[in-house]
Amino acid sequence: KQEVTQIPAALSVPEGENLVLNCSFTDSAIYNLQWFRQDPGKGLTSLLLIQSSQREQTSGRLNASLDKSSGRSTLYIAASQPGDSATYLCAVVRATGTASKLTFGTGTRLQVTL
Amino acid sequence: NAGVTQTPKFQVLKTGQSMTLQCAQDMNHEYMSWYRQDPGMGLRLIHYSVGAGITDQGEVPNGYNVSRSTTEDFPLRLLSAAPSQTSVYFCASSYSYRVEDGYTFGSGTRLTVV
Repeated sequence: KQEVTQIPAALSVPEGENLVLNCSFTDSAIYNLQWFRQDPGKGLTSLLLIQSSQREQTSGRLNASLDKSSGRSTLYIAASQPGDSATYLCAVVRATGTASKLTFGTGTRLQVTL
Repeated sequence: NAGVTQTPKFQVLKTGQSMTLQCAQDMNHEYMSWYRQDPGMGLRLIHYSVGAGITDQGEVPNGYNVSRSTTEDFPLRLLSAAPSQTSVYFCASSYSYRVEDGYTFGSGTRLTVV
């Protein structure tokens, strides 16, 4: 059974700081890994999607990396802003069986302070 | 706008009542899924469908029914609501043959069972 863990569970940083969120998974046979953002009381917004054959993806101030062999992904946020405050979730799609299942981590709640 | 639409956004039920959470997508996605999100437990898969007429159970299916009569719609039925079903419910969809495109989520339905 795939298990996804995110550390830390919560993080508070001052504005302007660079930060790294971690995601680890137990089964390396994955199709892809997706990072989402969730604002309080809202749905999930897709941030970055990394295919199993890729090492990293970048979008603006966000950079996500994937190391399948070690079962780890990181989300790097550069020059953090108060608007980045949200919960960040990672999810993996397994490569075995049906590709209709996402397995989520429990998320990292990020607060960026002024 | 293309995407996943969930209705209602909020619902309060009494124990024992039944109701249907609606989910519709206009992206011609074959894969559709229902998740519930509870504090400290992340998102967990309830039921999923790989195409019209095909459904299967996820991690926490008890107390819920689904059907998929069309590609666009994937309703989730609560047969006899219980307080343990108080949660936020998310519907998600993706292509079957383009898993690399990732998943799109609806904005969620917040359900309270009293």
